[in-house]
Formats: sequence, structure tokens, C-alpha cells
Amino acid sequence: DGGITQSPKYLFRKEGQNVTLSCEQNLNHDAMYWYRQDPGQGLRLIYYSQIVNDFQKGDIAEGYSVSREKKESFPLTVTSAQKNPTAFYLCASSISVHSGYEQYFGPGTRLTVT
Amino acid sequence: AQSVAQPEDQVNVAEGNPLTVKCTYSVSGNPYLFWYVQYPNRGLQFLLKYITGDNLVKGSYGFEAEFNKSQTSFHLKKPSALVSDSALYFCAVNQAGTALIFGKGTTLSVSS
Repeated sequence: DGGITQSPKYLFRKEGQNVTLSCEQNLNHDAMYWYRQDPGQGLRLIYYSQIVNDFQKGDIAEGYSVSREKKESFPLTVTSAQKNPTAFYLCASSISVHSGYEQYFGPGTRLTVT
Repeated sequence: AQSVAQPEDQVNVAEGNPLTVKCTYSVSGNPYLFWYVQYPNRGLQFLLKYITGDNLVKGSYGFEAEFNKSQTSFHLKKPSALVSDSALYFCAVNQAGTALIFGKGTTLSVSS
């Protein structure tokens, strides 16, 4: 998990509240990613960013928003519009989004919404 | 569209025996293939990747993977399994300019 930090490890929220998950990296990577992991479904891409102030939607972007104001940081906001937000969220980074570069993952944040 | 499949939800092996975790892929051009491992409530750790060249790729913790273009497979292997290898394993693929696509994962259980 070295080089990428996610906080907090566990997060609890009431339905209807927005919540922001933190992701910071000190690897000097240009690209950063957010994935959602649900049991038996693998990892699904929410958003990714190739460079500061630029980001693209992944496969399941609805109900989520991101920002990339600094190279080191890529926070994810889970909005009240996300119908089923309870999941394990993983942040990752890589040298570049171009093919062949492995991604490095943070330890994850487990979000529970009740 | 590119995709990756891991046909087995779970693989069970005895400690000391060889292990194989299967992965097949579908891409229209040359694939870039990866294996990751995840321990409970942790992030994913990179094990190895195939970009080009030798079809047998060696990675971390004694794991290796064999790229087979004709069968569009990239199976993960280890000659002698350890109980500590028990974890969730993910295969992933991408092509030029796209983000990684992950398989659904295979749970490896190594019994002592």
C-alpha cells in the first residue's frame, strides 16, 4: 500500500448525506483512479484523472464526483444521488494512464450508509 | 470491447502443491496483462505484468504467469503453494490509452 494513503479506513454516514473520501499519493504519479469493490463483482472504475484539473468518467460515475486540484490529491465525493453507496472504495495511481504501467493501490475506505 | 474473465470463483490447493489461477482476455489488439493480489480489507498489490517479449513472466513472491496468445490466456502459477498465499487474486487487461479492466477475482485457499 506504500505511497498512497486513504482516509478514513472506515466511514459511516446517514442516507442523504454527501461524504468525501480522501486519497493522497507521494509517488509523483500523473494518473489517479477511483474504484468501487463489491463482493463477487471485482473492481469497477468510477473516475480517473490523467493530469491535474482533468478527469474522465469511468463505468459507474453516476452519483459520484471528483476533483484534481493538486497532483498529489484526488478526493472522491459520494453524493446522495448514489443509490447504493455502501461499498469498499479503492484509490490507485500510476505513472501514466497509458498502457503498460501498473497501478499502485491505497488501503481502501469502507463506507457504510444507513 | 476489451474484457477479462476469471472462470473460477475459488481454487483450493494443498500446501506444497502447484497452483494455477486462470485468466482469459478479449482485446482487439496487443494486450497488456496484469495480476494483482488482495488480502482481506486491504488494497491490491501488484504481482506481475506482461507487456511484450518472453511469454513466461516472473513476479513477486515466487509467482509467474504464462501468456498464451493463441488461447488468449494469462494464467497465474506457482510451483509450490504456501498457506500465506491464500488471498483474492485479480487479473487485469488494458490497451492503448484506456484504464485497466479487472476480472471478478478468484479466491485462492491453500490448506496445510
